[in-house]
Amino acid sequence: DAKTTQPPSMDCAEGRAANLPCNHSTISGNEYVYWYRQIHSQGPQYIIHGLKNNETNEMASLIITEDRKSSTLILPHATLRDTAVYYCIVRPYYGGATNKLIFGTGTLLAVQP
Amino acid sequence: EPEVTQTPSHQVTQMGQEVILRCVPISNHLYFYWYRQILGQKVEFLVSFYNNEISEKSEIFDDQFSVERPDGSNFTLKIRSTKLEDSAMYFCASSDPGANVLTFGAGSRLTVL
Repeated sequence: DAKTTQPPSMDCAEGRAANLPCNHSTISGNEYVYWYRQIHSQGPQYIIHGLKNNETNEMASLIITEDRKSSTLILPHATLRDTAVYYCIVRPYYGGATNKLIFGTGTLLAVQP
Repeated sequence: EPEVTQTPSHQVTQMGQEVILRCVPISNHLYFYWYRQILGQKVEFLVSFYNNEISEKSEIFDDQFSVERPDGSNFTLKIRSTKLEDSAMYFCASSDPGANVLTFGAGSRLTVL
């Protein structure tokens, strides 16, 4: 079962920042926080991951609280193409084939024109 | 950017027929996965594969399913005797040698009549 809790849906105005929250209060010390998104039944797309420090890449920023029990994915300037289901997933650090991703129901982000 | 390629994009089959879904993972990746998504439901893990053997499989992955890496490039999912409830999108994924990030293909839509 997924170990994260996300709101089922959110709206965001085009051009504004989208802030997607995720609770992972039972996260273990060796687990990373991963974010993926799925645009209308396409394959899930990797966005970003982090352990405890904030991370930024060309797609998004990830803010992880100091106690690591929650995080926020930030899309700085949302566009209509960012409308998708966003999944927050915790996964052990050391990787390996047994460390599959377990998808929950995610947050449906609707970017409004 | 390297991508995971899946064929066919859509297959329609009769109940009881055998189906093979094909995937070409990213060339330097070592870990391979199959997931499925029934319409309107979550993305579900089926199986992971490493070093020419199954690493982990879910309860869904019963005896009607099998996976194979027949050559150095392809990774296949075979469904031996399809049932109506096998209708779904099937996603292949592969991950880098550190197994840190899974990259998904666009999916194969299977329709069982």
